[in-house]
Amino acid sequence: DIVMTQTPLSSPVTLGQPASISCRSSQSLGHSNENTYLSWLQQRPGQPPRLLIYKISNRFSGVPDRFSGSGAGTDFTLKISRVEAEDVGVYYCMQATQIPYTFGQGTKLEIK
Amino acid sequence: EAHLVESGGGFVKPGGSLGLSCAASGFALSNVWMNWVRQVPGKGLEWVARIISKAGGGATDYAAPVKGRFTISRDDSKNTLYLQMNSLQSEDTAVYYCATSVTAPGAFDYWGQGTLVTVSS
Repeated sequence: DIVMTQTPLSSPVTLGQPASISCRSSQSLGHSNENTYLSWLQQRPGQPPRLLIYKISNRFSGVPDRFSGSGAGTDFTLKISRVEAEDVGVYYCMQATQIPYTFGQGTKLEIK
Repeated sequence: EAHLVESGGGFVKPGGSLGLSCAASGFALSNVWMNWVRQVPGKGLEWVARIISKAGGGATDYAAPVKGRFTISRDDSKNTLYLQMNSLQSEDTAVYYCATSVTAPGAFDYWGQGTLVTVSS
């Protein structure tokens, strides 16, 4: 199984400041079809997960442009350019390159 | 817009069975790959099972902890996904979400609200 490791597990951030979450996979997420199925999800308290980014860097419909994704191979990053109060929650990376699909442990974003 | 609604959660004793449903609207279930994902309250996400689209052959895959006990299926005429759970254990206690990829390749772009399954004596 591909293990997804996120850092940090907790991120206190000041409103208006940037935030960054790292996700490392135990093996390359490059698929045989040349796509890399790495996505980022946000889960607000009491809500189901919500897709933010897919295929490393593609913002899903309706996601603010302060969210961006980057990376390749085994190292990926989610960045929030200026954190807003509504961004509080837990963020997960997920790989869908290989079965079983696997998630990172989650990073809790909170406001200082 | 795509919408998913789970139902069927509840309390069940260890060793018992439970069936979950996920009613889809706004898209044809037969055209997409559907998944079940679970989350122990307060913990992280765990993928449970997948069923491939009808055009893709409809194959199924399972996470190791549920293989042989859970069965994913769908009824395209009802646009509904199912998860039959047998031989339930306390470790299966979780919120179960159905999730799919409608417009975002290789990602779960639509999720239901989840249904809680509690396995306890």
